[in-house]
Amino acid sequence: DAGVTQSPTHLIKTRGQHVTLRCSPISGHKSVSWYQQVLGQGPQFIFQYYEKEERGRGNFPDRFSARQFPNYSSELNVNALLLGDSALYLCASSLGSPLSSGNTIYFGEGSWLTVV
Amino acid sequence: GNSVTQMEGPVTLSEEAFLTINCTYTATGYPSLFWYVQYPGEGLQLLLKATKADDKGSNKGFEATYRKETTSFHLEKGSVQVSDSAVYFCALIPNTGGFKTIFGAGTRLFVKA
Repeated sequence: DAGVTQSPTHLIKTRGQHVTLRCSPISGHKSVSWYQQVLGQGPQFIFQYYEKEERGRGNFPDRFSARQFPNYSSELNVNALLLGDSALYLCASSLGSPLSSGNTIYFGEGSWLTVV
Repeated sequence: GNSVTQMEGPVTLSEEAFLTINCTYTATGYPSLFWYVQYPGEGLQLLLKATKADDKGSNKGFEATYRKETTSFHLEKGSVQVSDSAVYFCALIPNTGGFKTIFGAGTRLFVKA
């Protein structure tokens, strides 16, 4: 079975530009989360979506937005890119509901974004 | 608030040495605890997990025991291999549910042949 897939794997953008990152969850998983991992640090939570609704948001500016589609795939959008947005963006999916505990999330390989 | 603290790296070991990476957490109640591994240039892979006190998670020779009394979840392996060289992240999901995983800063492990 395919795992969590993300695209693109690598991209370079210029400051001020916009970027869209895409994620397809594991088949049957209805929840998708996004994380930002800056080099040398642990991942930081950005968004969580379940059944196409936003269920959680981390401490990121409004330049960051996301959505989940009827097929449970998701997009992360970042506007007005800054140099500090350079990072690995990880998507994760999970089978259960956000209301249940003990859930396990499965990560994709990530999208490496470099802002120059 | 919820947080995870793990030992700073890098940790450098010779092949077949014993590994311990310390992890402690701060959380209300009984969070679920995880260890993830990240190989160079790759995303995170779930290594093991434990969802309640005294549970032991294990996988690929690694193990960690959920210790509520010390709020710890230390990762151990009896005999490391060169292929274990990676960054290891301790993480938790609060018992309030949801999928917001809180990660430690990561510990880089180098294993020498």
